[in-house]
Amino acid sequence: ETGVTQSPTHLIKTRGQQVTLRCSSQSGHNTVSWYQQALGQGPQFIFQYYREEENGRGNFPPRFSGLQFPNYSSELNVNALELDDSALYLCASSLGGTGPPNIQYFGAGTRLSVL
Amino acid sequence: AQTVTQSQPEMSVQEAETVTLSCTYDTSENNYYLFWYKQPPSRQMILVIRQEAYKQQNATENRFSVNFQKAAKSFSLKISDSQLGDTAMYFCAFMKAAGNKLTFGGGTRVLVKP
Repeated sequence: ETGVTQSPTHLIKTRGQQVTLRCSSQSGHNTVSWYQQALGQGPQFIFQYYREEENGRGNFPPRFSGLQFPNYSSELNVNALELDDSALYLCASSLGGTGPPNIQYFGAGTRLSVL
Repeated sequence: AQTVTQSQPEMSVQEAETVTLSCTYDTSENNYYLFWYKQPPSRQMILVIRQEAYKQQNATENRFSVNFQKAAKSFSLKISDSQLGDTAMYFCAFMKAAGNKLTFGGGTRVLVKP
């Protein structure tokens, strides 16, 4: 177990709806990264939050947005859901700051199905 | 932009035998990190091994070892004495030394047969 928890584990939405996914980071970690993993593919980086600020973003449209809270937990919000948003969404926590990048520890993900 | 390629979609191995997974990557960076992650059916991505590009010595972690060839941009994973619990998807990943994101390959499914 990595100490990273995600909720919910599964979610079914319809096209056009909005969804919020949640992640609790490992104790002591101040950085959360979100990844989208389509079926049969490797994860793709969505964005990262470090100390409540966005710290890098992948090639995802603005309808993917996020938040990080003072306790370093995080939310991923997706508006105007599309069928292609169906995927496993992974959250990873790490200890960011100066020095070499630290290991990212992953949660078990949220499986989102868009109908 | 960095790319990571895993050319073997699926590998099978008998219990107690050895299997080697291939990974190649493309980057113009000189300093970076390479990782192998394991994703069992439980979906949780688990770090198997990490290699710093500036270290010539290949990383090892118990039954797992890598063959890092920087000039060839190759980073293979060897699983020795395979166990049933090694059955999973294995992902090779890249991160720039000053970076914040992992770039993953497409994965290799490993099936360990009794």
